[in-house]
Amino acid sequence: AQKITQTQPGMFVQEKEAVTLDCTYDTSDPSYGLFWYKQPSSGEMIFLIYQGSYDQQNATEGRYSLNFQKARKSANLVISASQLGDSAMYFCAMREGPGLTDKLIFGTGTRLQVFP
Amino acid sequence: DAGVIQSPRHEVTEMGQEVTLRCKPISGHDYLFWYRQTMMRGLELLIYFNNNVPIDDSGMPEDRFSAKMPNASFSTLKIQPSEPRDSAVYFCASSTRTGELREAFFGQGTRLTVV
Repeated sequence: AQKITQTQPGMFVQEKEAVTLDCTYDTSDPSYGLFWYKQPSSGEMIFLIYQGSYDQQNATEGRYSLNFQKARKSANLVISASQLGDSAMYFCAMREGPGLTDKLIFGTGTRLQVFP
Repeated sequence: DAGVIQSPRHEVTEMGQEVTLRCKPISGHDYLFWYRQTMMRGLELLIYFNNNVPIDDSGMPEDRFSAKMPNASFSTLKIQPSEPRDSAVYFCASSTRTGELREAFFGQGTRLTVV
């Protein structure tokens, strides 16, 4: 069963606009973590933001924020004021545990293209 | 810290040859993950270790794949014999968990081409 679902293979956004990348997840574990990574064309995986299942507030890191809706099991990434350098693949990931599997699994990714 | 170090960065080998990929995790991290990335299948978790012990190897595709972690600072992923369909980028990542789940830090990856 797919644990992390990213339904948008590709997204376009104009520079300086905000964009939301969708992510839904599936777990029965009450304790889990949700992550977003960026993979530019150079290939490295860059950690962006983390949300714990018990966190009361949505995580924010600079221009990145995570819209965490626990009841809907969604963890969408919001990028504000898009920049050309934001063009990349974006992956949502989940880590269950502690006490369950503790492994980190990824969705299929969304390719974001920012145009001038 | 130098981050997660993988070697080689690129590997081209002939079908049937043995390939060994290497990884040095971040010092102090007690989790190590091996991933394979292809266009068709995305990022697949192959195996992960906790305190040098393999915890889940259900993602290892075949018996041709094996992974070891002889100590906290070194891990290998071996493919023997290699096949063209093994061509992919292989990532190693390390992490720790001090009271809460933490992100994994990735190496630069090894681009493997089997001809």
